[in-house]
Amino acid sequence: AQSVTQLGSHVSVSEGALVLLRCNYSSSVPPYLFWYVQYPNQGLQLLLKYTTGATLVKGINGFEAEFKKSETSFHLTKPSAHMSDAAEYFCAVSDAASKLTFGTGTRLQVTL
Amino acid sequence: SQTIHQWPATLVQPVGSPLSLECTVEGTSNPNLYWYRQAAGRGLQLLFYSVGIGQISSEVPQNLSASRPQDRQFILSSKKLLLSDSGFYLCAWSVLTSGGGETQYFGPGTRLLVL
Repeated sequence: AQSVTQLGSHVSVSEGALVLLRCNYSSSVPPYLFWYVQYPNQGLQLLLKYTTGATLVKGINGFEAEFKKSETSFHLTKPSAHMSDAAEYFCAVSDAASKLTFGTGTRLQVTL
Repeated sequence: SQTIHQWPATLVQPVGSPLSLECTVEGTSNPNLYWYRQAAGRGLQLLFYSVGIGQISSEVPQNLSASRPQDRQFILSSKKLLLSDSGFYLCAWSVLTSGGGETQYFGPGTRLLVL
């Protein structure tokens, strides 16, 4: 069975600071990994995904994530936070034969 | 391009009343379709998924049901709502991702408040 752990249900950063949202997964087969963002009262929007190939994945809005098999991690980063990045972020994992399994989410707060 | 619609956007219903939430997808054929519920302050709970017309799989036993009368239409229903049915309901569709697996795309959601 697959699982996802997002460390930190709330993360607060200053505007202009580095954003780092942590995600660790458990999967018995090569995983497909995703990050989604959810703004208040909206659906989830795909930020980026890793399937195969390059382990550093670039997404929308300046976000990127690196797949590290040895650490079973897929952390999300952005060099400089903007106020508009305040939202909830979900990491998810699947494989070729299964549906998505979501983490419990991390709420990102950006302060002036 | 593909789009996904959900309605209504917001719904307030009394306990014991029926429920019908609708989701439609445009611009794709034979998508996999999903219903999720997101309770306040909690993650996403997969309720139902469908791989084709009339094919519904239930992930969590509850007083909700789902139907797929047409290829791109997915309906979530209840005969009698409970207080615990309150939440944000999300519909999603998926396609196979290059390299394998599938990517899910979400609708705007329906916020349900049961009083």
